[in-house]
This record gives sequence, C-alpha cells and structure tokens, in this order.
Amino acid sequence: GAGVSQSPRYKVAKRGQDVALRCDPISGHVSLFWYQQALGQGPEFLTYFQNEAQLDKSGLPSDRFFAERPEGSVSTLKIQRTQQEDSAVYLCASSTTRGGYTFGSGTRLTVV
Amino acid sequence: SQQGEEDPQALSIQEGENATMNCSYKTSINNLQWYRQNSGRGLVHLILIRSNEREKHSGRLRVTLDTSKKSSSLLITASRAADTASYFCATALREGGTSYGKLTFGQGTILTVHP
Repeated sequence: GAGVSQSPRYKVAKRGQDVALRCDPISGHVSLFWYQQALGQGPEFLTYFQNEAQLDKSGLPSDRFFAERPEGSVSTLKIQRTQQEDSAVYLCASSTTRGGYTFGSGTRLTVV
Repeated sequence: SQQGEEDPQALSIQEGENATMNCSYKTSINNLQWYRQNSGRGLVHLILIRSNEREKHSGRLRVTLDTSKKSSSLLITASRAADTASYFCATALREGGTSYGKLTFGQGTILTVHP
C-alpha cells in the first residue's frame, strides 16, 4: 500500500487480557520500528526489525511485550496480561535503509 | 527515556505570525528530525537535518542545528490554522559509528494557530 497500515485503530482490553497489534509496512521497506506514546508524551522506542531479524528490543518494558516479523513484512506486537499502564498509542514506522520514516496512524490501546 | 526537551511546551499565535519551537538534546547525534502530529493521528515527517548541516529549508519551514549547544529550532513562517498540531523533534543517535535510525523523541510543543 501507499502508507503504513496499523490495525486495529482502537482496542479496549480488560486487564489481564492478551492483545495483538498489527503493522503493515510500506512494501520493500527493510526497517520496521515500534514506538509507544503515552498521553501527552513523545513516542518512546520499543523495538526494531531489519527484515525479519529483531535487532534491538531494548525498549520493550517487560517480558509481557513480544514482537515478531516472521517474513520480513507484516509485524505483530503482542502484549500479554495487559495492565493499565500499558494504555497508550502504539505506533509503527517503516523506512528504507537510507532513512525517511513513515509512521502509521497508530493503535490506541485502553486497558480497563 | 526522552532524549531531549522542547520549548515551549505550548505556543498560541495568530494566523500569519511566525512560530518558533526549540529542541535540546543530550548526546551526539547522526541526524535530527522534526515531526508533526495532529490530534489522534500518526506522525508526519517534516524535515531531517544531519549533524554536519547547520540550516535547512523546506517550504515555510526552516530548521537550524547547533551541535555545539546540542540544540535545534524549527521556524514555521506565515502560520496557518492548519498548522495547529503537536510538533516533535527526534534524534537518531550515533552508536558505535553507525546508526540504524532508532529515534529518540522530545516531549513536543503544542502549537495552536488562531484564524
């Protein structure tokens, strides 16, 4: 597609529920990033993929967070046993090797 | 954790005026980028300035970078109501001489342009 597509756009989860957030990057973009943006804050880095390899997961806040990109295209961010502090907008971005980032519109996760 | 601080946190101006936002950061960088975010939407890339550049223009946008002071500014000239949004600076850090482009964002400036 023409841009980065994220789904769902909104997700309400009960505390303790598992969620899966999907990111469809721009076709051919090697690099894929996940960011977490709390209300009123700037985005914070979660994890980075180069093709299917997860090269940096230093930003994942706990072992409840897991991301994958098995075929080097679509990526899924999974959060297990969601907690209220996980409520945020989750942004995905993709880029070529020369930079030039394109962000998706994000998934707004609300944990109740 | 956030890399930088943005100043001011909020800015309110009239249409036609210029808007200046500042960003400071803490570590050596490969490049600095500015993004716009409309309420409830994703980030839109505005402009990228590399660490060896001092000034860059794109339409009504002018970005400066002072690596000695670890600071950057974004100037929007002749502002329009449609420029109302949050603006973020983001740095790509120098890591071991290479950077794969991981971005570290500031906390943003909320710009309101009144018609």
